Amino acid sequence: DQQVKQNSPSLSVQEGRISILNCDYTNSMFDYFLWYKKYPAEGPTFLISISSIKDKNEDGRFTVFLNKSAKHLSLHIVPSQPGDSAVYFCAASGVNYGQNFVFGPGTRLSVLP
Amino acid sequence: DADVTQTPRNRITKTGKRIMLECSQTKGHDRMYWYRQDPGLGLRLIYYSFDVKDINKGEISDGYSVSRQAQAKFSLSLESAIPNQTALYFCATSVATGGTYTGELFFGEGSRLTVL
Repeated sequence: DQQVKQNSPSLSVQEGRISILNCDYTNSMFDYFLWYKKYPAEGPTFLISISSIKDKNEDGRFTVFLNKSAKHLSLHIVPSQPGDSAVYFCAASGVNYGQNFVFGPGTRLSVLP
Repeated sequence: DADVTQTPRNRITKTGKRIMLECSQTKGHDRMYWYRQDPGLGLRLIYYSFDVKDINKGEISDGYSVSRQAQAKFSLSLESAIPNQTALYFCATSVATGGTYTGELFFGEGSRLTVL
């Protein structure tokens, strides 16, 4: 049973509009979350993180929102650009998880010109 | 040059063969990891090592073994490869933050393994 879920395998957005990628988790012991971006033929690269003491973290065009009561986080990309087209992975960790990360299955974002 | 280098990048082998995937890093990080990626399943942890003398099983270690030859080198072995080990394998490194959490992971470019 997946502890980190990304229920949308793919998402298409028009250039300049907002992209919203969602992630749900089931383990209440998770309290640190990251987003990674992956281009074809490359390894994932870190994008942004958030700890459970916050409900929002912003870095340029990227904002992550955390709703602990709903066990839900989302990544907002505004404005979306064609170079944002990639697979996005949500990952979670916690003190009792051996300081390791559990990844979601990923969402493929396509930003259309 | 990549900070985390994996070899080979692509490998096709037959069932029952022994395969080794190698990873080396120039980041100076103590922590190294092996993940596999399968469609619809994301990245799953196979083994991890927090220093040269520390090796730990991850979520899906059955059928795999690892060796941490030095701080900079961490290899993954499939003693007798089987078709369901066909996947994209990633090595990653991280640095301990000194706090509760592991820092972000830095990934290699991946090794695509096909077992026929």
